[in-house]
Amino acid sequence: QITLKESGPTQVKPSQTLTLTCTFSGFSLTTTGVGVGWIRQPPGKTLEWLGLIYWDDDKRFSPYLKTRLTITKDTSKNQVVLTLTSMDPADTATYHCARALRSAEGYFFDYWGQGTLVTVSS
Amino acid sequence: DIQMTQSPSSLSASAGDRVTITCRASQTVSKYLSWYQHKPGTAPKALIYAASSLQSGVPSRFSASGSGTDFTLTISSLQPEDFATYYCHQTYNNPWTFGQGTKVEI
Repeated sequence: QITLKESGPTQVKPSQTLTLTCTFSGFSLTTTGVGVGWIRQPPGKTLEWLGLIYWDDDKRFSPYLKTRLTITKDTSKNQVVLTLTSMDPADTATYHCARALRSAEGYFFDYWGQGTLVTVSS
Repeated sequence: DIQMTQSPSSLSASAGDRVTITCRASQTVSKYLSWYQHKPGTAPKALIYAASSLQSGVPSRFSASGSGTDFTLTISSLQPEDFATYYCHQTYNNPWTFGQGTKVEI
C-alpha cells in the first residue's frame, strides 16, 4: 500500500522560509522511473505544480519558483523535503506531495497525500 | 506555458447520467495528459494517464480519449461517489500545468 503524508508548519510569517516534509511508504525513491513532486492549491484556485525530484536525484522546478524552491530527498528515511524561501501571503495554499510514475507517455501522479494547509500571515 | 482549459467549469447532473468533460491545451501535449478526481480535504485520485489509460483500481465507467490538444473524460453512468472536481494535467512541457477544474455536482 502506497501512502504519502505532508507535515510541517500550518502558519508562517511573510519573508520566512517554509519547510515541508513528505513521508512516504510502499515504494522506494531509488526505483527507476519514480519521482516525488509537490503541488499546491491556493484557496478557491486550481492546482499548481511546484517541482519534482526523480529517483536519480534529477530535479525539475516551475520557472516561477525556481529561485525560491529547493527539493531534496532522504531515501533512507523515505522522505522528500520542500523548502520555499521568502514566503508571501500569495503562497497560502494546501500543499500536496505525490508520487510521479513514468508511463509510456510521460509522467503522472498516481498517488497523492491529502495535503497540508499553510497560511502566510503576520 | 501550456494553458489547459476545461469545459464546463461546473455542471449539474444526476446519478445515472452520462457526463463528458473536455480539456483543451493551448499547444500540443501529445498524450502526456492525465485526469484526477478531487474531493475537498482528501488526496486527489488519479483516474487516467497517457490520455486514455485507466489507472489501476478505477471503475470502468471512467474513460478518456484524445491526443494533441483536445481531450475528453467521460463518466458513463454517474454514481453518488463521483460528485467531485475533475482536473486535467499535462506533463509535456515545463511548467507542468493543470486545467482550472470541472466541478460535478447534483
